[in-house]
Amino acid sequence: DTGVSQDPRHKITKRGQNVTFRCDPISEHNRLYWYRQTLGQGPEFLTYFQNEAQLEKSRLLSDRFSAERPKGSFSTLEIQRTEQGDSAMYLCASSLGPGNIQYFGAGTRLSVL
Amino acid sequence: AQSVTQPDIHITVSEGASLELRCNYSYGATPYLFWYVQSPGQGLQLLLKYFSGDTLVQGIKGFEAEFKRSQSSFNLRKPSVHWSDAAEYFCAVGAYGGGGGSNYKLTFGKGTLLTVNP
Repeated sequence: DTGVSQDPRHKITKRGQNVTFRCDPISEHNRLYWYRQTLGQGPEFLTYFQNEAQLEKSRLLSDRFSAERPKGSFSTLEIQRTEQGDSAMYLCASSLGPGNIQYFGAGTRLSVL
Repeated sequence: AQSVTQPDIHITVSEGASLELRCNYSYGATPYLFWYVQSPGQGLQLLLKYFSGDTLVQGIKGFEAEFKRSQSSFNLRKPSVHWSDAAEYFCAVGAYGGGGGSNYKLTFGKGTLLTVNP
């Protein structure tokens, strides 16, 4: 059990470019969550998966954001046509079912220039 | 909808002094409560959790927290702070939302930054 891993750790991109982040959860965890954290704020919920099904999306998740979890293992979060306001830390967490402890990865820090 | 308030944005304590970080929550039922710690550029590490039972919970690194339903509070304490405790601390409430009752997520406070003076 190596914990939740996220890749890349840092991403710098120009406004208008597309970016994709990857999250590998703890292997037996069926729930996977994405959160966004901006400077001086706590993490904010974006979306979550139960196995491969995406069950809830926050209003923070605009049409430019899409998340997938094929085969119920790793997940990807894609942001199309990035904007400066997308600059943030994107955190992934996984848990064994709802209501259980969520274990977080180290995050991907996105900077949009 | 649930919410979490951490009234103190920044706290400075001397090494060896005691610490209390405040957390107030709003939720209609008995919440699941958590404290996480985040070092610069890192993810979140769970310090402790409250699900039910004894209202005084022990966590890692010598931290403890007390759930007070009457005050809607879940304050974090440590009797003697170490320099390595300097970090940002987040209180969170876990709750079920709509969608048939299985939608569960964490709602975080804005965090308290702890500085430890030598």
